[in-house]
Amino acid sequence: DAMVIQNPRYQVTQFGKPVTLSCSQTLNHNVMYWYQQKSSQAPKLLFHYYDKDFNNEADTPDNFQSRRPNTSFCFLDIRSPGLGDAAMYLCATGRGLNEQYFGPGTRLTVT
Amino acid sequence: ELKVEQNPLFLSMQEGKNYTIYCNYSTTSDRLYWYRQDPGKSLESLFVLLSNGAVKQEGRLMASLDTKARLSTLHITAAVHDLSATYFCAVEETSGSRLTFGEGTQLTVNP
Repeated sequence: DAMVIQNPRYQVTQFGKPVTLSCSQTLNHNVMYWYQQKSSQAPKLLFHYYDKDFNNEADTPDNFQSRRPNTSFCFLDIRSPGLGDAAMYLCATGRGLNEQYFGPGTRLTVT
Repeated sequence: ELKVEQNPLFLSMQEGKNYTIYCNYSTTSDRLYWYRQDPGKSLESLFVLLSNGAVKQEGRLMASLDTKARLSTLHITAAVHDLSATYFCAVEETSGSRLTFGEGTQLTVNP
């Protein structure tokens, strides 16, 4: 079935150790989003790609980067994770007038 | 800047009762989403409301949209324990753009 896949589902990293989260989709959607959701809070958009065009939210820290090598894949890189970066990271895809589809999320723990 | 407000933020209700969750937003938008989130899980799409006066129903949940009042409601009929979850509304500023989420309503249905 067409879907949004995130790997890994659970990630533990050490303080300051770079980590990469991945998202892939079989929906052929041209827009891909990364959201951060901390405990008991609403999801917060970090950035999104419209095709190859990268759109960063104004308040997204420089510590967060993203790559989209092709339509199907998008990566979230956290260069130096801090304790405050522990959260659920949600990838979503969308196209035109269609709704956004969310992946299962990656729960990041920083020790 | 688009602001989305939900109320109540916490709702405890008995099985069999009815209740409504409200979602207000601050700027013009014709697209509103309702999501359900279980603890530790991703977002599950419930409804997409695309136009003024739209009403959608699925089981014990019914959502409506009044774009003139910038208000959406999620009505729960004869609640059951399985509906316990956090419910988010989200507004899309323009087609294919970011979602701005409300704070979420944590619903607990007690036997």
